[in-house]
Amino acid sequence: DVQLVQSGAEVRKPGESLKISCRGSGSSLTNSWIGWVRQMPGKGLEWMGIIFLSDSDTRYSPSFQGQLTISADKSMNTAYLQWNSLKTSDTAIYYCARAAYYYYHMDVWGQGTTVTVSS
Amino acid sequence: QSVLTQPPSASGTPGQRVSISCSGSSSNLGSNAVNWYQQVPGTAPKLLLYGKNQRPSGIPDRFSGSKSGTSASLAISGLQSEDESYYYCAAWDDSLNSWVFGGGTKLTVL
Repeated sequence: DVQLVQSGAEVRKPGESLKISCRGSGSSLTNSWIGWVRQMPGKGLEWMGIIFLSDSDTRYSPSFQGQLTISADKSMNTAYLQWNSLKTSDTAIYYCARAAYYYYHMDVWGQGTTVTVSS
Repeated sequence: QSVLTQPPSASGTPGQRVSISCSGSSSNLGSNAVNWYQQVPGTAPKLLLYGKNQRPSGIPDRFSGSKSGTSASLAISGLQSEDESYYYCAAWDDSLNSWVFGGGTKLTVL
């Protein structure tokens, strides 16, 4: 069974860039969609977007379009979430999750990456 | 403000049956299946129910779901202390072309 392994916690200053990762372990993610979900401190879940690892077809939530970039490297079995200029409001836990198709349920979740943005 | 509306809290005693509601609109719950996720604080969400009341492997049949029109509900029967958690509903929204979540319901087992 596939597991999603996310990169470790990060601390950055406002304006800095960051790229976090989500790697598939135990099975290929080539025919999978990998979504990203944000959870701000003490808040609920927010869907950010999703990418198909095979051809990098990407869909973004209107709320996050233009604010970040989702990418993938199928040879590395890995999806990425990237910011060019972080804000303090980007402080959150970011989860990746697998779906069979972009509008299907997300059935396997990563452990989460905590991102802290503070001056 | 979440697109899907859930009560912020629910509670029950061990052995009891509790329900958690989720209200949406024609572009999400009215058109698409609802999924339910369980999240124990400090851990990643876990898929609880999907599609037409389907449970992933390992999810007990104490958990069940229903949907009618633009509303859905999660029912937990034979409540156990380990069910104390946050529960989120989610659905694909055809207008937003995006997944939308409820704000989450904190279930307390008294």
